[in-house]
Amino acid sequence: QKEVEQDPGPLSVPEGAIVSLNCTYSNSAFQYFMWYRQYSRKGPELLMYTYSSGNKEDGRFTAQVDKSSKYISLFIRDSQPSDSATYLCAVYTGNQFYFGTGTSLTVIP
Amino acid sequence: DADVTQTPRNRITKTGKRIMLECSQTKGHDRMYWYRQDPGLGLRLIYYSFDVKDINKGEISDGYSVSRQAQAKFSLSLESAIPNQTALYFCATSDTGSGIEQYFGPGTRLTVT
Repeated sequence: QKEVEQDPGPLSVPEGAIVSLNCTYSNSAFQYFMWYRQYSRKGPELLMYTYSSGNKEDGRFTAQVDKSSKYISLFIRDSQPSDSATYLCAVYTGNQFYFGTGTSLTVIP
Repeated sequence: DADVTQTPRNRITKTGKRIMLECSQTKGHDRMYWYRQDPGLGLRLIYYSFDVKDINKGEISDGYSVSRQAQAKFSLSLESAIPNQTALYFCATSDTGSGIEQYFGPGTRLTVT
């Protein structure tokens, strides 16, 4: 079983829509959960991270962790064409990072 | 200038050739990583290093070797390249004090024919 599983999409939404991106993870001992954004032909960049469970908000982005179901979510409000990218979830064990396969998102103007 | 640089950015090589990918960083971080990215498989860790004398195998180290020449430099070698090593390779860095924040280079697109 992979450490992190992610629906690859692709996902296509109209501008202004609320986007929900999701991952599941395998090990209940994981404590750090991250979301990266990767534009085409670029390296991933850290968008936000959460420790343990709960929500974290940063502008239009909200990261949520449900440890009871081992579920990681990223919500994007008022999506913009500039949000079009691949989004990768990841977990951190203290030594290594494990990444999901990424979800490709396109926001249509 | 970019904080994490990778050279070359693109490389085409033949089966059996030895090839080295180089990574340099100016962030002063002590931890460095090499990943490969494949469609449908995501980012997978090849090797990681927490300081110059500390090298660790990742999830998919077979067929690869690394060298940490200095705190700022971490090289990945393919001793005898094979076609299924065709992929996008990323170097990344992080700092022990704030290990969560990992910074990626722009990537090297490697094609083995």
